Amino acid sequence: KNEVEQSPQNLTAQEGEFITINCSYSVGISALHWLQQHPGGGIVSLFMLSSGKKKHGRLIATINIQEKHSSLHITASHPRDSAVYICAVVSGGGADGLTFGKGTHLIIQP
Amino acid sequence: NAGVMQNPRHLVRRRGQEARLRCSPMKGHSHVYWYRQLPEEGLKFMVYLQKENIIDESGMPKERFSAEFPKEGPSILRIQQVVRGDSAAYFCASSSDRANTFGSGTRLTVV
Repeated sequence: KNEVEQSPQNLTAQEGEFITINCSYSVGISALHWLQQHPGGGIVSLFMLSSGKKKHGRLIATINIQEKHSSLHITASHPRDSAVYICAVVSGGGADGLTFGKGTHLIIQP
Repeated sequence: NAGVMQNPRHLVRRRGQEARLRCSPMKGHSHVYWYRQLPEEGLKFMVYLQKENIIDESGMPKERFSAEFPKEGPSILRIQQVVRGDSAAYFCASSSDRANTFGSGTRLTVV
């Protein structure tokens, strides 16, 4: 069973700061997702990665398969980025259902 | 493309009643996953379905919970004889080539 650890659990930063959220997992995976859960509860899929790096607007996601580690970066953070960011992995075999980290609660203060 | 549609958004049930949660996947997606988010906890996988087949239900409680994805119509997650501990947000996701798209969830409250 894959164990997914996220850090930090909570993060408060000032508007404009560069944000990094980390995710590590214990067993090799076929893909990793970064999800954003808004205060209202809806979930948005930000990235799906199997290697390398992806960028979308101010968001950047990287993954190091050898080190079993991924990071989500937010540049020029804004209060509207305040949300819970969840890392989820696909371990392959079985269900292909996701195994989730517990999430990082991000608050960006103006 | 309306995305993954879940309804109802909010559902209140008394203990002992049945809850039915619906999920219509994105057009062209034939894989549906159900996840549960208990209060103050992370998301947990429940069941993976394809049309007319349950592929993996290893995350489903053994009793009272069932899921189906018929040939026609939405996927249904059914909870019989609900208890307070079933109160949670239930999310559905559909996928194609492992790119998951989530619905907005159904928040079940058992009173």
